[in-house]
Amino acid sequence: AQKITQTQPGMFVQEKEAVTLDCTYDTSDPSYGLFWYKQPSSGEMIFLIYQGSYDQQNATEGRYSLNFQKARKSANLVISASQLGDSAMYFCAMRVVFSSGSARQLTFGSGTQLTVLP
Amino acid sequence: GAGVSQTPSNKVTEKGKYVELRCDPISGHTALYWYRQSLGQGPEFLIYFQGTGAADDSGLPNDRFFAVRPEGSVSTLKIQRTERGDSAVYLCASSRLGEGGYTFGSGTRLTVV
Repeated sequence: AQKITQTQPGMFVQEKEAVTLDCTYDTSDPSYGLFWYKQPSSGEMIFLIYQGSYDQQNATEGRYSLNFQKARKSANLVISASQLGDSAMYFCAMRVVFSSGSARQLTFGSGTQLTVLP
Repeated sequence: GAGVSQTPSNKVTEKGKYVELRCDPISGHTALYWYRQSLGQGPEFLIYFQGTGAADDSGLPNDRFFAVRPEGSVSTLKIQRTERGDSAVYLCASSRLGEGGYTFGSGTRLTVV
């Protein structure tokens, strides 16, 4: 079974500062993908960044980067230069990929509520 | 359509009633997923369709919950004899088989009173 743990229920960051949101995962499958989603108060799930278990380099997407430490089974999200619009709930999620290429459903963590202070 | 569409956006029903929630995925996405999100928590998996068939329904909490996808596109989540504990946001997502990410709909907020 897969499990995602997010130990920070809430985080505060000053505008323009960087912030790291923690995520650890547990799986016995060798092939998997890690996702981060943003969920504003309006409710939609917005995809931010993806890291495959075999990717050699950490994923980056604009101000978002993923600090992937495979041996520690951690996939922390780093947001640089925080903006007021970054205030939202952030979810880490994992998907196991089978050798056939088919993928299973996402398993989500409990989320971290990020508040950016002016 | 351009995105995943879920209707209705809000549904209030009385305890014991039957409800249907609809999901219209992105055209060409063969995989469709239903999740339930309770307040302050992450989404929990309910059921996964590959085409018309339910590839994994292990997340359905009990036999009051059922979902169909008869033509491999639109899916309907059906809840019988609703209970107050069923109140949550029901999210639908779709993806291409085995690749890429998932696109989520805006969800249906179900309130059972």
